[in-house]
Amino acid sequence: SQQGEEDPQALSIQEGENATMNCSYKTSINNLQWYRQNSGRGLVHLILIRSNEREKHSGRLRVTLDTSKKSSSLLITASRAADTASYFCATTQRSGGGADGLTFGKGTHLIIQP
Amino acid sequence: GAGVSQSPRYKVAKRGQDVALRCDPISGHVSLFWYQQALGQGPEFLTYFQNEAQLDKSGLPSDRFFAERPEGSVSTLKIQRTQQEDSAVYLCASSLTPDGLIGYTFGSGTRLTVV
Repeated sequence: SQQGEEDPQALSIQEGENATMNCSYKTSINNLQWYRQNSGRGLVHLILIRSNEREKHSGRLRVTLDTSKKSSSLLITASRAADTASYFCATTQRSGGGADGLTFGKGTHLIIQP
Repeated sequence: GAGVSQSPRYKVAKRGQDVALRCDPISGHVSLFWYQQALGQGPEFLTYFQNEAQLDKSGLPSDRFFAERPEGSVSTLKIQRTQQEDSAVYLCASSLTPDGLIGYTFGSGTRLTVV
């Protein structure tokens, strides 16, 4: 079963604009991660935010986490054509030792129009 | 190696055939995961290994699915008597640390089509 729901399911914007994707999840989490997947390829890890963090930046990416609302957002600033891909949020539930499988949402398909 | 390598890249199987999918994780990565991704969906967890030990197989959809990692490096996901609903992309991911807190590295996947 899938933990999260990304919103919107699809997003088309002009190159240079900012893109915002949202993710909601159901259970308490240890951390939340965002991944990008280009068509027919594997997932690329973008950024990880822990449950005790509220905001994190990496280059043109900004992630926020609101554990009270069980939601996260991914902002991509100054979008480029190469950002066209599907974006997934994924959560882990287990804290402490021992790895935990990621629970993914269904993804947001982002299209950047040149 | 530099990344997680999966083979074959594509596999077409006749219904009822057995298949074996291979994952070569990054050298030294302790944790290894298998995921199944249906078309238009997010990946779903299948199973997890820490070194050679299979610590979680709760996501395997049926007893036709079997995974192993006998020497704590290469892993094989085997599907017996394939069915059409098994058609999906099978993704392998590895992580250096047991807790995965630095993120996971995914392979490009094996696209399985059962006809």
